[in-house]
Amino acid sequence: QVQVEEWGGGVVQPGRSLRLSCGASGFTLRSYGVNWVRQAPGKGLEWVALIWDDGTNNNKYYAGSVKGRFSISRDTSKNTVYLQMSSLRADDTAVYYCARAVVLTAVGDSWFDPWGQGTLVTVSS
Amino acid sequence: QSVLTQPPSVSAAPGQKVTISCSGSSSNIGNNYVSWYRQLPGTAPKLLIYDNNKRPSGIPDRFSASKSGTSATLGITGLQTGDEADYYCGTWDSSLSVGIFGGGTKLTVL
Repeated sequence: QVQVEEWGGGVVQPGRSLRLSCGASGFTLRSYGVNWVRQAPGKGLEWVALIWDDGTNNNKYYAGSVKGRFSISRDTSKNTVYLQMSSLRADDTAVYYCARAVVLTAVGDSWFDPWGQGTLVTVSS
Repeated sequence: QSVLTQPPSVSAAPGQKVTISCSGSSSNIGNNYVSWYRQLPGTAPKLLIYDNNKRPSGIPDRFSASKSGTSATLGITGLQTGDEADYYCGTWDSSLSVGIFGGGTKLTVL
């Protein structure tokens, strides 16, 4: 069964760092991309980052709100993707979901499936 | 404010049909594929539609979608109380090189 699962959330002080992990089962990350999407309490979905290997390059993309502070990476030997978050702010508080990116020809032809259950990150002093 | 515009809420009676619109621009919907997601209360989002109008296995044909120009539409027929959820459209923005979602539409089945 194709699944992804996140872990690593928790309470962290403003300005500190936290690393989230996304483990895949039932498929190999080498063949797919992985997105991180977050949802602040009572708000809608916000795309955060994507890592995708097009066969030539290991491409990484970031939302403007996290660029320079967050870093996405993967360890194919562990079938895991990471989201390293630094300089955390109160407005980074959200449930963070990872979702497999099914990319057909280019990132413009991709979709998110499946999604994990999410991990809560709370940035507070 | 989201790059993709959805109505905040829609409602209809059980058994009826409802449509949810998603409006964007040439840099996103106009030149990329649209997908739709449903988020039931307290759960993670789930894929409903991909590649503008394709249903994954297990999604009933009560759900349909289309795209025209810089807008997309999700349709749901034979509404059930279990369809009450938040619905999101999503795509890629080629100018910004970012993924984007609509603000979400809350469906109420009266």
